[in-house]
Amino acid sequence: SAVISQKPSRDICQRGTSLTIQCQVDSQVTMMFWYRQQPGQSLTLIATANQGSEATYESGFVIDKFPISRPNLTFSTLTVSNMSPEDSSIYLCSVGGENTGELFFGEGSRLTVL
Amino acid sequence: GENVEQHPSTLSVQEGDSAVIKCTYSDSASNYFPWYKQELGKRPQLIIDIRSNVGEKKDQRIAVTLNKTAKHFSLHITETQPEDSAVYFCAAREYGNKLVFGAGTILRVKS
Repeated sequence: SAVISQKPSRDICQRGTSLTIQCQVDSQVTMMFWYRQQPGQSLTLIATANQGSEATYESGFVIDKFPISRPNLTFSTLTVSNMSPEDSSIYLCSVGGENTGELFFGEGSRLTVL
Repeated sequence: GENVEQHPSTLSVQEGDSAVIKCTYSDSASNYFPWYKQELGKRPQLIIDIRSNVGEKKDQRIAVTLNKTAKHFSLHITETQPEDSAVYFCAAREYGNKLVFGAGTILRVKS
């Protein structure tokens, strides 16, 4: 399975600010996904990060709030913009196994918005 | 789109007993069904999966069954141990390799 590194692992942010989360994979992958896990909840897909094109966002998530970059096949960033306390969550980067379809997760970035 | 329902939300078992978690999905085109275990403060870890051309898969104390006609799949853990205590998520893959997750089951194994 791929080794996925995320940073920051956690952060405390002030309302109205923005934070960028980085995800680095140790091998080239076609598809990278960003999930959100609110406290005590399940995992919800925010968007699919496509290399060379705009990210594909799921219902309820918009580019202005969660801009995503995917400059190459091993790296992606997710920005949480104009944060409010409701954005306090764990944000997880994930990649799919190229041949098996399995999905592997990074360690996650735990954001607390005050 | 796909919708996955998971039951029960919490499950307490005595050490050594079996645990069963059930999920139903809505999209008959879904073809891949993984199960993830998430320990407190850690990332979800894939523990077992099953594809739509298989009815059952087993890995030591863990097994998964799939009923495509009824659109449900289940996780079975036998001889439970305290280290099995965690949150378990089922998921179904729809188009585009996206996974849709169930709400999760908190499993507590009492010793």
